Amino acid sequence: DAGVIQSPRHEVTEMGQEVTLRCKPISGHDYLFWYRQTMMRGLELLIYFNNNVPIDDSGMPEDRFSAKMPNASFSTLKIQPSEPRDSAVYFCASSMGQGFWTEAFFGQGTRLTVV
Amino acid sequence: RKEVEQDPGPFNVPEGATVAFNCTYSNSASQSFFWYRQDCRKEPKLLMSVYSSGNEDGRFTAQLNRASQYISLLIRDSKLSDSATYLCVVNSNTGNQFYFGTGTSLTVIP
Repeated sequence: DAGVIQSPRHEVTEMGQEVTLRCKPISGHDYLFWYRQTMMRGLELLIYFNNNVPIDDSGMPEDRFSAKMPNASFSTLKIQPSEPRDSAVYFCASSMGQGFWTEAFFGQGTRLTVV
Repeated sequence: RKEVEQDPGPFNVPEGATVAFNCTYSNSASQSFFWYRQDCRKEPKLLMSVYSSGNEDGRFTAQLNRASQYISLLIRDSKLSDSATYLCVVNSNTGNQFYFGTGTSLTVIP
């Protein structure tokens, strides 16, 4: 398996523009997580899905952020409109099952810069 | 209060040194614990799980103290390749959410 695949790897956009980040989880994994990482706040869980259903989106910072998972192999995180403070590395991760000792596998991340 | 707290460091140690990191977690009902490693500009990857009885993997030893709600990682005989950020991770009591500490930066100096 190729692992968790995220695209794009880098994104530079102007304030006010819409940004869409994409993720393909590992096949067979039924949990998908979106994280944001900054120097100040570390890795923050934004939202996670189980079997394509959003379970907890309490980490989503504002209504400008939305996430979807239309099928088991694809998820998007959208920011509309984007702001400079959204600049961060966004990671998608997936895991299998609900066992307490399951491992989360991360994609390589999308480095977002909003200018 | 954050779910997981770590000393951010940085820790700068010479090759061959022993270094220890600690982290604390707030939810006493947490069920599982991990250390992840993150290299510069890369994604986090699992280093090792942390079991109640403590466990060892080569030069790495992980310990859990449930009573005090802290987790530790000991690295013996540090190598240059150990330079990275080490993330303490706690799984929620439902097993569905991974909470990450902000990471501890380690640099091993020749």
